Amino acid sequence: SYELTQPPSVSVSPGQTARITCSGDALPKKYAYWYQQKSGQAPVLVIYEDSKRPSGIPERFSGSSSGTMATLTISGAQVEDEADYYCYSTDSSGNQVFGTGTKVTVL
Amino acid sequence: EVQLVESGGGLVQPGRSLRLSCTASGFTFGDYAMSWFRQAPGKGLEWVGFIRSKAYGGTTEYAASVKGRFTISRDDSKSIAYLQMNSLKTEDTAVYYCTRDPQGVDGDGIYYYYMDVWGKGTTVTVSS
Repeated sequence: SYELTQPPSVSVSPGQTARITCSGDALPKKYAYWYQQKSGQAPVLVIYEDSKRPSGIPERFSGSSSGTMATLTISGAQVEDEADYYCYSTDSSGNQVFGTGTKVTVL
Repeated sequence: EVQLVESGGGLVQPGRSLRLSCTASGFTFGDYAMSWFRQAPGKGLEWVGFIRSKAYGGTTEYAASVKGRFTISRDDSKSIAYLQMNSLKTEDTAVYYCTRDPQGVDGDGIYYYYMDVWGKGTTVTVSS
């Protein structure tokens, strides 16, 4: 079955840039989406269609995709950005797939 | 404000049934597909199933782990989506989320759904 691979964890100091990658063979033709899930809370969409930011999401969140890798970038990470981040996409048949998740620590 | 509120969770014995509700507000409920996801303690997100809008037949799809036991339905007049869970197992213990699912089209021209709004979730515990 199709898989989206993320690093288990990323650490960043406050004010620095965090980059979270998501690797999948279908990504050259499929959009990537990114969800933020803080501890004990529901997921929140932070990036859709590779690089678009929903209203209300801070500008420090950005997304890009090239080849088989999508990247979520947090520029000037804040303590409140500490969360689990999941990428999401579809396979060649349109079936939905979540990435393995990345725990972002800001300290 | 667009909002989804899940309800109906609780403690239930293995083999019993439970029905979850997802009440929507702030948008035209009937225009959207709706999904259910779950997250077991300390685990990642797992798709449970979804229901298309009536415009696309109102049909449903389910994950293999729940197919035949869970049923998703919708009442557009009340803006509510339901998840009927039968023959519950201990491994169904999780927080259950409902989502609003807009439709997109990818570079291959294939239509797909993604989740843009999530409810806060309701906890289901299956234990004797």
